[in-house]
Amino acid sequence: AQTVTQSQPEMSVQEAETVTLSCTYDTSENNYYLFWYKQPPSRQMILVIRQEAYKQQNATENRFSVNFQKAAKSFSLKISDSQLGDTAMYFCAFMKLNFGNEKLTFGTGTRLTIIP
Amino acid sequence: NAGVTQTPKFQVLKTGQSMTLQCAQDMNHEYMSWYRQDPGMGLRLIHYSVGAGITDQGEVPNGYNVSRSTTEDFPLRLLSAAPSQTSVYFCASRGLSENYGYTFGSGTRLTVV
Repeated sequence: AQTVTQSQPEMSVQEAETVTLSCTYDTSENNYYLFWYKQPPSRQMILVIRQEAYKQQNATENRFSVNFQKAAKSFSLKISDSQLGDTAMYFCAFMKLNFGNEKLTFGTGTRLTIIP
Repeated sequence: NAGVTQTPKFQVLKTGQSMTLQCAQDMNHEYMSWYRQDPGMGLRLIHYSVGAGITDQGEVPNGYNVSRSTTEDFPLRLLSAAPSQTSVYFCASRGLSENYGYTFGSGTRLTVV
C-alpha cells in the first residue's frame, strides 16, 4: 500500500517570499503520478500541479514548481512570489498507473498562511 | 460549464436515517469517485466508477452504496447514518484524456447526530 507523508502541519511566510512544502511517499510502483492540490477556505479542491514519475523534468505551472526526487521518493512544492490568495491547505497526492484503479492517496495536508 | 456539482452543501442527519448525496458532472468524464475528508486524515476513497454500470470499492466503503446508471451521475447513499460518518464528502471526476488530473466538486458537509 502507498503512503504519503507531509511532515509540516502548518507554515507561514511573508507575502512575496518563496516557500517550499515537503512531501514524501512510499511505494514499490515504478509508474505513477504525483499531485499537489490546494484547498482554500471555500473548501474547493483545486489541482495545482502534477508530475509523471517517468518524466525526469520537474513540472512547473507559473509560480508553482516541484522538486521531484524519484529515488528519494520526495515531491516538494515551491511557491514563488507568494500571494495572499495562496493561503490554503495544500495536499500532496499519489496515484499509481493502473487501469481501473483510480485511487488517489492523500497526505494529511499543510496549512499555509501568507502574511501581508 | 458547471464542472462537478454536489448537492446538498450541508446536511444534518439523525442516527439511523438514510440519505443520498448527489453528484453530477457535465464534462462527459468516464471516471468518478467519492472521497471523505476527516480532520488530520486527508481524503480517503470510498467508492469509484470507471464508467456507467461499473463501480468498485475504495479504502473505506462500509456503510455506503453507489450506483452509476448514467455517465453524468454518481450518487452516494448512506443507508443507516452513524456518527462516524460525520465528515466532508467530495465527488471527483476525470476523463480518459485528462492526464490523471481529477476535478473535484465543492463538497458536502454532513453531520450525524
